[in-house]
Amino acid sequence: GAVVSQHPSWVICKSGTSVKIECRSLDFQATTMFWYRQFPKQSLMLMATSNEGSKATYEQGVEKDKFLINHASLTLSTLTVTSAHPEDSSFYICSVNRASYEQYFGPGTRLTVT
Amino acid sequence: DAKTTQPNSMESNEEEPVHLPCNHSTISGTDYIHWYRQLPSQGPEYVIHGLTSNVNNRMASLAIAEDRKSSTLILHRATLRDAAVYYCILRADNYGQNFVFGPGTRLSVLP
Repeated sequence: GAVVSQHPSWVICKSGTSVKIECRSLDFQATTMFWYRQFPKQSLMLMATSNEGSKATYEQGVEKDKFLINHASLTLSTLTVTSAHPEDSSFYICSVNRASYEQYFGPGTRLTVT
Repeated sequence: DAKTTQPNSMESNEEEPVHLPCNHSTISGTDYIHWYRQLPSQGPEYVIHGLTSNVNNRMASLAIAEDRKSSTLILHRATLRDAAVYYCILRADNYGQNFVFGPGTRLSVLP
């Protein structure tokens, strides 16, 4: 069964509004979760590393004030896209490490900003 | 992270074997070779990984060159469900590290 869930699976919002995406680790505790973004026909790009109980680490070029990450518990990390614009439309995917060699990815959330 | 090179796309006929190549000439001694695949509109899923020896699991086989500068993912009998983008990724055995994805190989399976 699924190890990582995301909610919602898709969302449409108006430009200027904020959207929250949840990532849940279903059957184990995850101190670290990763957030990726994938534009059409492109590969996954790491946005940030979410650490339970501390601030997220953002990749170069990712605005931390625009993409707010909260990892308040060992099973939940949230990504909030603030003041969304059409260029933020993308497929957002989270992942967790379960073993040293295996990373589980969520099913993804497709965000469309109109 | 050391870089990998994969063909942009490949085609296979259903029920035939598929060999997906990956070149990683700058691989270091501590790098594991990981393969993930991404079905349309889904998150990536683990396929297989290895260090030096060939590996088999229920999904696929991984053949690693003796000098480790290349590897091949083998799907023994392609099905339509195997149509996906396959990513070959190198990563040191570091629990806390993310994966760095390249463009991967888009596999099409023809009925």
